[in-house]
Amino acid sequence: EAQVTQNPRYLITVTGKKLTVTCSQNMNHEYMSWYRQDPGLGLRQIYYSMNVEVTDKGDVPEGYKVSRKEKRNFPLILESPSPNQTSLYFCASSRTVSNQPQHFGDGTRLSIL
Amino acid sequence: DAKTTQPNSMESNEEEPVHLPCNHSTISGTDYIHWYRQLPSQGPEYVIHGLTSNVNNRMASLAIAEDRKSSTLILHRATLRDAAVYYCILKPYRDDKIIFGKGTRLHILP
Repeated sequence: EAQVTQNPRYLITVTGKKLTVTCSQNMNHEYMSWYRQDPGLGLRQIYYSMNVEVTDKGDVPEGYKVSRKEKRNFPLILESPSPNQTSLYFCASSRTVSNQPQHFGDGTRLSIL
Repeated sequence: DAKTTQPNSMESNEEEPVHLPCNHSTISGTDYIHWYRQLPSQGPEYVIHGLTSNVNNRMASLAIAEDRKSSTLILHRATLRDAAVYYCILKPYRDDKIIFGKGTRLHILP
């Protein structure tokens, strides 16, 4: 089954403790992206990747890092999480042509205390 | 970056058609128009997309204005399960930065 898998689905942690949210897709998609969703603000893009070893900033990249060492994986890294990064996070993937739809994961709810 | 404008919310009666508008006056010639929806407690899901011509699929129809500065998502017969937030986005040709607006929250009345 074609899918985008995020882990963990839920995480409560404390300020400053490094964490990684993993994202994996099994569709051989070139394009992958991370979004955060906050009440009243909709979906905002954090980082995206057009292909292996190619990443770029979205609208709200501050406080986040990503890597794309393999085509299928696109982890989101919070080196020193802060409470303002408490949010619902979605990973998405698609083929790298503009008429291809994005496939989204089920989301990761992060709470930073 | 080309952006879209949608009404914050809309209401419709069950089993009636719904027309969800989207304005994108700064669209470029190579931007595709995509619609997604997000059901409660789920990730966004793809609905439909188009470039210039109107499009139909099993979920909905997309009507694109001749000047491409606006589009309308049409749900032909709304059900309670169509209650969701609907997002209209422009997908650049090179698939780089994508901007989601705040979407339209669609309420379906039984």
